[in-house]
Amino acid sequence: GDSVTQTEGLVTLTKGLPVMLNCTYQTTYSPFLFWYVQHLNEAPKLLLKSSTDNKRTEHQGFYATLHKSSSSFHLQKSSVQLSDSALYFCALNQGGSAKLIFGEGTKLTVSS
Amino acid sequence: AQTIHQWPVAEIKAVGSPLSLGCTIKGKSSPNLYWYWQATGGTLQQLFYSITVGQVESVVQLNLSASRPKDDQFILSTEKLLLSHSGFYLCAWSLGILSAETLYFGSGTRLTVL
Repeated sequence: GDSVTQTEGLVTLTKGLPVMLNCTYQTTYSPFLFWYVQHLNEAPKLLLKSSTDNKRTEHQGFYATLHKSSSSFHLQKSSVQLSDSALYFCALNQGGSAKLIFGEGTKLTVSS
Repeated sequence: AQTIHQWPVAEIKAVGSPLSLGCTIKGKSSPNLYWYWQATGGTLQQLFYSITVGQVESVVQLNLSASRPKDDQFILSTEKLLLSHSGFYLCAWSLGILSAETLYFGSGTRLTVL
């Protein structure tokens, strides 16, 4: 079945350093990919979304490019801040269905 | 502006007791509605979705049920709680199909089953 894989459960960085959070997916449908961010004790919020192959999408300093050839949608930022500490989820929508499949999440902790 | 209100904010319940959680969406007619469950620090598992009043589709079987009695209301319930039901329950809505639309989450209900 369709699935989303996030390989890093926990990423710890010092502020100012770059970050890349990995996301790969499996689907037989046309993929629609999302990144959601959840700060501590808050609800998840959309960070990025894309369905266009090889096009970079950006928001709040974060960016990601959907690569259908490698089934990937990695999240990157060139310089992390303390406020970026949160849980990041990659999610896959199955070709226009009402289902959104989330990955296991990556906890990003940024220290000074 | 659309708002989503979930109730209660938190519940502590005994194993075997009944449960009812709710959410109300204001400012948007005929939204798509969803229930998600999240174990502490874990992933988001979609439980149910509803495209219209009176119609609810189950995504996973967790001895829970859902109903949509009104256009703006979504209820999650069970007659008998299990320990495994503990976690964070999130109601969410979207304007349309999820491929094109953002999923907006409520603030959630934290459930502890003892």
